[in-house]
Amino acid sequence: NAGVMQNPRHLVRRRGQEARLRCSPMKGHSHVYWYRQLPEEGLKFMVYLQKENIIDESGMPKERFSAEFPKEGPSILRIQQVVRGDSAAYFCASSPNPGQGETQYFGPGTRLLVL
Amino acid sequence: AQSVSQHNHHVILSEAASLELGCNYSYGGTVNLFWYVQYPGQHLQLLLKYFSGDPLVKGIKGFEAEFIKSKFSFNLRKPSVQWSDTAEYFCAVNARSNTGKLIFGQGTTLQVKP
Repeated sequence: NAGVMQNPRHLVRRRGQEARLRCSPMKGHSHVYWYRQLPEEGLKFMVYLQKENIIDESGMPKERFSAEFPKEGPSILRIQQVVRGDSAAYFCASSPNPGQGETQYFGPGTRLLVL
Repeated sequence: AQSVSQHNHHVILSEAASLELGCNYSYGGTVNLFWYVQYPGQHLQLLLKYFSGDPLVKGIKGFEAEFIKSKFSFNLRKPSVQWSDTAEYFCAVNARSNTGKLIFGQGTTLQVKP
């Protein structure tokens, strides 16, 4: 059973470009969480999605960031017009059941560098 | 607002030394508690978790943690560390009333000298 997959593992963008980060959850998991880790900090929750629905986006910046989890295909975290402060590691996690005590399984992360 | 505090940012130990990493959280309701580990170059893996029952939880690789509700703490322990325990350790909490999002501490980097 393959784990959570994220691609690309490393992404370099120039200021003003768009970044698209992909996350394929574990087989059988329909719940996806995105977290961001800034340098020297812990992971910060961004958004929680189920298939075709955003359940909790309380951690998403108000502008330039969006996320989706379509019926088919991976979850996408999209950052428009990237700025240097967006440079971070972005982690995706999946779980089989909604929230509460269910373990979240993490992917390897995407390291975004904005030049 | 919920928050998690890990007191030690960087710990250096010799092999066979005992380890205790502190974790305190701030939340008035019922919580679930987790410790994750990130080995160099790898993704986060679950070490152990507490939902209910015995407050002393045993995890993988000889790690354990004790939930002390009165102190809002969930400290991680290992009696004798190995060089292979060199990694970053994250404490995390989620409130049972919310969507399951994890609130993480800032992490503790453990370096074990052979």
